[in-house]
Amino acid sequence: SQTIHQWPATLVQPVGSPLSLECTVEGTSNPNLYWYRQAAGRGLQLLFYSVGIGQISSEVPQNLSASRPQDRQFILSSKKLLLSDSGFYLCACGPRQGSAKDNSPLHFGNGTRLTVT
Amino acid sequence: SQQGEEDPQALSIQEGENATMNCSYKTSINNLQWYRQNSGRGLVHLILIRSNEREKHSGRLRVTLDTSKKSSSLLITASRAADTASYFCATAFYTGANSKLTFGKGITLSVRP
Repeated sequence: SQTIHQWPATLVQPVGSPLSLECTVEGTSNPNLYWYRQAAGRGLQLLFYSVGIGQISSEVPQNLSASRPQDRQFILSSKKLLLSDSGFYLCACGPRQGSAKDNSPLHFGNGTRLTVT
Repeated sequence: SQQGEEDPQALSIQEGENATMNCSYKTSINNLQWYRQNSGRGLVHLILIRSNEREKHSGRLRVTLDTSKKSSSLLITASRAADTASYFCATAFYTGANSKLTFGKGITLSVRP
């Protein structure tokens, strides 16, 4: 079964500092990878998804970027954090989907709680 | 914008009672999924229902889907204190080789022992 590792679990960073959150996946190959953000009391907002190494799609314009240097590694970054970047960041993976008939759930990591002060 | 909208936003019940949570959505879907999130943790997949299915069961969970009304419900029977968590519905829509899950804001379920 798939296991998703996210670190760190919690992070407190000052405004203007850089950010790097890492996500690695075990137990699968060629996955689709996703970064979601969850603000307090709200649902999950899809930030980025990747269908392969070096392939990143951004869902919303923002202060963040993502990279996928290896098949099972997904990194979320920022050069200068804003207060509005605070939130709960979740990495997720799903099987490579090439058909509209594919119906598979996502597997989530345990998340990183980011507080920008 | 959010595709799935859950109802109610919060639900408090006594242990042993049934919990019913509803989800409405706006556009066509390939499947609808329900997830659970314990406080401060990631989401865990509970059950998936395809657009051509109307009802599905998994243990104490029963999910229904009405595509004509664009709505789904999740029923947890004989609730337990351990069922206390947030529950999210997510709709999946596939375009070509890509798939996206759009989540609602979630329902906070409290089960009193």
